[in-house]
Amino acid sequence: NAGVTQTPKFRVLKTGQSMTLLCAQDMNHEYMYWYRQDPGMGLRLIHYSVGEGTTAKGEVPDGYNVSRLKKQNFLLGLESAAPSQTSVYFCASSRTGTATYNEQFFGPGTRLTVL
Amino acid sequence: QQPVQSPQAVILREGEDAVINCSSSKALYSVHWYRQKHGEAPVFLMILLKGGEQKGHEKISASFNEKKQQSSLYLTASQLSYSGTYFCARPENSGYSTLTFGKGTMLLVSP
Repeated sequence: NAGVTQTPKFRVLKTGQSMTLLCAQDMNHEYMYWYRQDPGMGLRLIHYSVGEGTTAKGEVPDGYNVSRLKKQNFLLGLESAAPSQTSVYFCASSRTGTATYNEQFFGPGTRLTVL
Repeated sequence: QQPVQSPQAVILREGEDAVINCSSSKALYSVHWYRQKHGEAPVFLMILLKGGEQKGHEKISASFNEKKQQSSLYLTASQLSYSGTYFCARPENSGYSTLTFGKGTMLLVSP
């Protein structure tokens, strides 16, 4: 099992460019999440999905879009990148979304720099 | 609003003990702890479900006081491998819910 994988690992963009980050999981998990991690801020939820074909906004959704066309994949898009979106992006998945059994498995992260 | 963790950073010598605290202004239905080593992804440590319940992972244990809306992580006889950033997280509600993470406590264990 590969667990949760993310593509690419590193990326440098110019302001205004667009890109898509791909997350894939092979654990048949229903729930998937996108977080961003900035120094001193912890992990903040951007968007999440509770199943194939569904998406919902998290704490910091502005400037991002997501899609979950297949259960195993969760895509994060930046339509017009801004320097404020320079961050490390983590994808995660969990079998359920309950408060009591919500162990999340994280991918290795994507380090994005916007110039 | 994120859970509040204290201290922000801890420096220890190998073999020493440490306590990391997590408090929430919102109701805590459960508390989740994760560890992130430098340059790696966060990794799940444990979930605490009931008030006063303690769980353990290696020589790492934790307590959860539901009434005070607080949790503490205890690292006993710390090892070099314990170095990293520790995050607590809480679910937003008692049912199906996302997690809100604290800002983290950085732990450095030196020889």
